[in-house]
Amino acid sequence: AQKITQTQPGMFVQEKEAVTLDCTYDTSDPSYGLFWYKQPSSGEMIFLIYQGSYDQQNATEGRYSLNFQKARKSANLVISASQLGDSAMYFCAMREGRGGSNYKLTFGKGTLLTVNP
Amino acid sequence: GAGVSQTPSNKVTEKGKYVELRCDPISGHTALYWYRQSLGQGPEFLIYFQGTGAADDSGLPNDRFFAVRPEGSVSTLKIQRTERGDSAVYLCASSLDPGPGETQYFGPGTRLLVL
Repeated sequence: AQKITQTQPGMFVQEKEAVTLDCTYDTSDPSYGLFWYKQPSSGEMIFLIYQGSYDQQNATEGRYSLNFQKARKSANLVISASQLGDSAMYFCAMREGRGGSNYKLTFGKGTLLTVNP
Repeated sequence: GAGVSQTPSNKVTEKGKYVELRCDPISGHTALYWYRQSLGQGPEFLIYFQGTGAADDSGLPNDRFFAVRPEGSVSTLKIQRTERGDSAVYLCASSLDPGPGETQYFGPGTRLLVL
């Protein structure tokens, strides 16, 4: 089974509107972290936001917020007031476990977001 | 300070040749990771270093792939007898330490093309 599922290959949004990018995950480990990265056409992966499995509140970073629904195993990224520069590929990723060598990230296939003027 | 840097940014080689890809992590970061990203896919884990030692190399696809980090800073990913299927973007990331919530910061990647 896929550990990270991003069901939207592509999304379109009008400038200044909000958009939600979906991410569901699969793990039996009670301790895990969820990350969102942005990858512009230049190729670099840019960290956006992090949510820990034990965090009580949804994470927020500026215009980015994470809608974390633990029971549904979903961690959707919400981008408010979209800007043209938000056009990029967005990846959801998960790290499982607390210690040992479990620090690798498992990524989804990504969602290509296009912001229209 | 400076972010993660990777050299070369692009590498074209012929099938069967040997290549080395270099990663210079953020200063002070003890953990270093290599990932491979094929076209249209998310990055896939290759290997993780804590200091000089490889703590997890479970993602290396076969014994043609090898990575070192001799002084606990710069790392080199080495691919022997390259195959066309090795063509991908190789991404390096580093984190301050390998804590559960530590963010991994990525470099711009090396685009490898094997002809």
